[in-house]
Amino acid sequence: ETGVTQTPRHLVMGMTNKKSLKCEQHLGHNAMYWYKQSAKKPLELMFVYNFKEQTENNSVPSRFSPECPNSSHLFLHLHTLQPEDSALYLCASSPSRSSGAEETQYFGPGTRLLVL
Amino acid sequence: GENVEQHPSTLSVQEGDSAVIKCTYSDSASNYFPWYKQELGKGPQLIIDIRSNVGEKKDQRIAVTLNKTAKHFSLHITETQPEDSAVYFCAASMTPSGTYKYIFGTGTRLKVLA
Repeated sequence: ETGVTQTPRHLVMGMTNKKSLKCEQHLGHNAMYWYKQSAKKPLELMFVYNFKEQTENNSVPSRFSPECPNSSHLFLHLHTLQPEDSALYLCASSPSRSSGAEETQYFGPGTRLLVL
Repeated sequence: GENVEQHPSTLSVQEGDSAVIKCTYSDSASNYFPWYKQELGKGPQLIIDIRSNVGEKKDQRIAVTLNKTAKHFSLHITETQPEDSAVYFCAASMTPSGTYKYIFGTGTRLKVLA
């Protein structure tokens, strides 16, 4: 195991539902990431948090709302999603660059999301 | 914008043979190149990485080579085994704003035939 956990592992929701994805890392890292993985496409970076501050939003629609209450937890709040948002959502963590530590990102197992 | 091209998209080899996956990146400022293995139902797992000040790195049956001039890097798996079957992703790292931003390739599905 990589030390990054994600819940739920599977989620089916309607377009009018509101749900949240949770990520927790037990590695002592300070940077956390959300990625979207769709079939036959590269992993798409969505959001980056460094020391709880959002440092990158990759033009993600506002129906995806991230939250990072502390360096160990990351949430992705979902509302009024579209069927094309169905994908595997991956969380990752890494040491912060300012720490001078290794920059390797460690991934969780992902949440498989299906929007009906 | 920045991108990473990865080839081939699928690769089938006989057990015991070698497999090679190649990536090309566009941003000459990239200086860290990890490779990930993703098995069905799991998240990507780091298998090997290389930094721009090194030309080659080896870890048992896995090796990575980097040609910074040509902006190419490759993954080599020798003596392949059925458990090597998975999707492999390369990435090139940039370092804006205090964090590390990866640009990923599109992945290679490796099948090792017993």
